[in-house]
Amino acid sequence: ETGVTQSPTHLIKTRGQQVTLRCSSQSGHNTVSWYQQALGQGPQFIFQYYREEENGRGNFPPRFSGLQFPNYSSELNVNALELDDSALYLCASSSAGNEKLFFGSGTQLSVL
Amino acid sequence: GENVEQHPSTLSVQEGDSAVIKCTYSDSASNYFPWYKQELGKRPQLIIDIRSNVGEKKDQRIAVTLNKTAKHFSLHITETQPEDSAVYFCAAYYGGSQGNLIFGKGTKLSVKP
Repeated sequence: ETGVTQSPTHLIKTRGQQVTLRCSSQSGHNTVSWYQQALGQGPQFIFQYYREEENGRGNFPPRFSGLQFPNYSSELNVNALELDDSALYLCASSSAGNEKLFFGSGTQLSVL
Repeated sequence: GENVEQHPSTLSVQEGDSAVIKCTYSDSASNYFPWYKQELGKRPQLIIDIRSNVGEKKDQRIAVTLNKTAKHFSLHITETQPEDSAVYFCAAYYGGSQGNLIFGKGTKLSVKP
């Protein structure tokens, strides 16, 4: 096991609602990245957090936001949910300056 | 923008045969290329990676080759086994200290006993 844990594993929301997903990084890792994986697609980079600040962002709107805490754990918040937000959300941790990512099992979000 | 193309999208082989998956990338500054295996309902697992200063890397039945000039890299699996069946993703790292991985769309490998 990689040590990256995510919660919850599954979530069902309705359009317009808000959601918070959580991630605990692997021991010794201080950088957390979030990815969105739509069905049948590769993961797409949302953003990365390092030292409690956003450290790089992909092509996602501002309603996707995040936090990182002093213990390196992280949250992904999505406001005003849309049907197309339905996907597997993956968290990955790494050590600073190391490109090697270790993924959690993800949160499967369904927006109805 | 940055892009990683992956082929084929599906691949079916007989147990014991070899499987090859190919990827091309667009950013010549990319310097790190991992491969992930994702079984149904599970997390992507890093199976092998290669850096741009190396042309080939091997780990038991798995090998990866990189051609920087042509900007393509390939995954080779020899003596395939049914447990190799999964979706395989290639990725390329770009963007320096604020960088991230750009993934291909995946290859669904089926190994028939």
